[in-house]
This record gives sequence, structure tokens and C-alpha cells, in this order.
Amino acid sequence: GAVVSQHPSRVICKSGTSVKIECRSLDFQATTMFWYRQFPKQSLMLMATSNEGSKATYEQGVEKDKFLINHASLTLSTLTVTSAHPEDSSFYICSARDTGRSYEQYFGPGTRLTVT
Amino acid sequence: AQSVAQPEDQVNVAEGNPLTVKCTYSVSGNPYLFWYVQYPNRGLQFLLKYITGDNLVKGSYGFEAEFNKSQTSFHLKKPSALVSDSALYFCAVSSGGYQKVTFGIGTKLQVIP
Repeated sequence: GAVVSQHPSRVICKSGTSVKIECRSLDFQATTMFWYRQFPKQSLMLMATSNEGSKATYEQGVEKDKFLINHASLTLSTLTVTSAHPEDSSFYICSARDTGRSYEQYFGPGTRLTVT
Repeated sequence: AQSVAQPEDQVNVAEGNPLTVKCTYSVSGNPYLFWYVQYPNRGLQFLLKYITGDNLVKGSYGFEAEFNKSQTSFHLKKPSALVSDSALYFCAVSSGGYQKVTFGIGTKLQVIP
């Protein structure tokens, strides 16, 4: 149980285009999902907290107009990187908090974004 | 602000030997502590957590961690390391069930055959 999927696992896009990453909780409901960014040999940086049916809460320094988050259902959150640039290339990881078990986060496998 | 320190970038241990990956934390109130493992190009896998109760917490794959309140530490341990344990290990802390989780920078564990 408690499986989180991400799609796509890898994506390459051209500079200036937008990319959407999906995060799904497969066997539980997730009122809250989190989006992280991980740079090589660094820890996870929390970008935003996504709450179902409401606006996401962004961490300081994260541009909400560039990283659009939508959490339209209890099992799906999406992150759209708009007008991507090479510096947006990174490993993006989502996690979902099981509504029935509040303090446990389950992580997706990550999405490797490369902007050329 | 809460924080996590993992003082070792890398830990090398021979297969079959005991291993320890260190973690210290800073948080207001009672800590919620977690260990996760990450394999290359993969997401994080939950290993174990401490919320309350016994200071020695047992988790997945034979790992355990000891909560020490006076030293604000939560070191990860395993009695006998396997080559397959080689991965990146993250310690994390939160001040409550609904609060933000802060991760350490990670410690690379290398188990040598």
C-alpha cells in the first residue's frame, strides 16, 4: 500500500516551453501533497505544499507563476514548469500525505527534467 | 527554525560490519523524526520514524534508530551491513504531524564487499 506515482519519469524539453508533471496517490487519499526539488548531491528543497481544492502554499523564493501547482482531486496533483529554462533542469519529487495517517509522507519516484 | 545536520557526507563500512549514520536535529517542541533511503534516480523510501514511546525504533530492512533527547540525535544503525544497503540516506524532522518536514543533506553509505 501507500504507492505514489509520478509521470513522466524523464522529460527533455526545449527552453521556453512548458512541462507538466503528474503526481498520483494510487491506493490512498492525499489531502496534502508536496513538491520538492533536488539538485545533484544536495538535499530535497521543499518548493510548495499542495492542498486539495485550495491554492498551493509556496516556499520563500519559489516563483508561483513559474511553478504552477494544481491539486484538483484527492489523488492527483500536477506541477507545471512554465517557460522552462536550462536552470530549471533538476530532479523533481512529489510526496503525498495519507489523509488517514497524518504524519507519514510517501514519495514518488521522481521526474528528471532536462531543459535544452 | 528547525534543522537537521548529517555531519558525514559519506560513510564506508565493510559488508557484515555494523553501520551507523549520524543525525542531529533542532526543533521547537517534541520532534517527529524520520529516516529515508534513496537509490540513484529514485524517490525516497521510508525506513522508520520516531514520534513517541520507546527510544529505539525498528524499521525496514533491519535498520533501527535511537532517539536521544539530551543529545538531540537520531542515529541510524544496522547490526550487519549488506552491499545492497549502499545508497543515500536522509534524516528528517518535523515539529508535528501536519507540520513541514525538513531534510538533512544526506549521507552516502558505501558498503564494501
